[in-house]
Amino acid sequence: EPEVTQTPSHQVTQMGQEVILRCVPISNHLYFYWYRQILGQKVEFLVSFYNNEISEKSEIFDDQFSVERPDGSNFTLKIRSTKLEDSAMYFCASREQVNQPQHFGDGTRLSIL
Amino acid sequence: AQTVTQSQPEMSVQEAETVTLSCTYDTSESDYYLFWYKQPPSRQMILVIRQEAYKQQNATENRFSVNFQKAAKSFSLKISDSQLGDAAMYFCAYRSVIYNQGGKLIFGQGTELSVKP
Repeated sequence: EPEVTQTPSHQVTQMGQEVILRCVPISNHLYFYWYRQILGQKVEFLVSFYNNEISEKSEIFDDQFSVERPDGSNFTLKIRSTKLEDSAMYFCASREQVNQPQHFGDGTRLSIL
Repeated sequence: AQTVTQSQPEMSVQEAETVTLSCTYDTSESDYYLFWYKQPPSRQMILVIRQEAYKQQNATENRFSVNFQKAAKSFSLKISDSQLGDAAMYFCAYRSVIYNQGGKLIFGQGTELSVKP
């Protein structure tokens, strides 16, 4: 069964550094998402992406964050200047059609030191 | 704005028994989707079951079924014949069908289910 793939599984970065989290959605999917989960808390929506543009973003998704689909297969989340509070599990998800459920990757655990 | 509430932070069930996890939500929309996701210790997010609000029939997937009460805005998950592998965090989630909302999922706080042998 096709899967959403996220790399790396764990990223350790110094505060203030830039980090790029990578995702390869399922190939025929059209809608892409990033969510984050701070340890022990609920999963929070960050951003949705469709037709090569952001369709919705949350208050968390400020100017430090950006998303890109550089080559038609990868979907990346960039955090420009990481803060301690960015430490979390970041999930990528994708969806084929409007009425289909989202499929999640295994997540990237981001640790900011 | 829509909200999802799971009022049971933790639940416990004996192996082979049945357990029900509660979820309530708030929305002014008449059509939407509801989901239950399972997150085992590996922290993957696995879709368990989904329900379309316009369907009156409760969704079932093998040992998993839901009790969808639209008027009460309640969406509980019943796990029958519980197995050790069912131990996980369970999240209830809501999704609007309004296109310009991007199809994001709104999650509840989660219920940690433990299964006793």
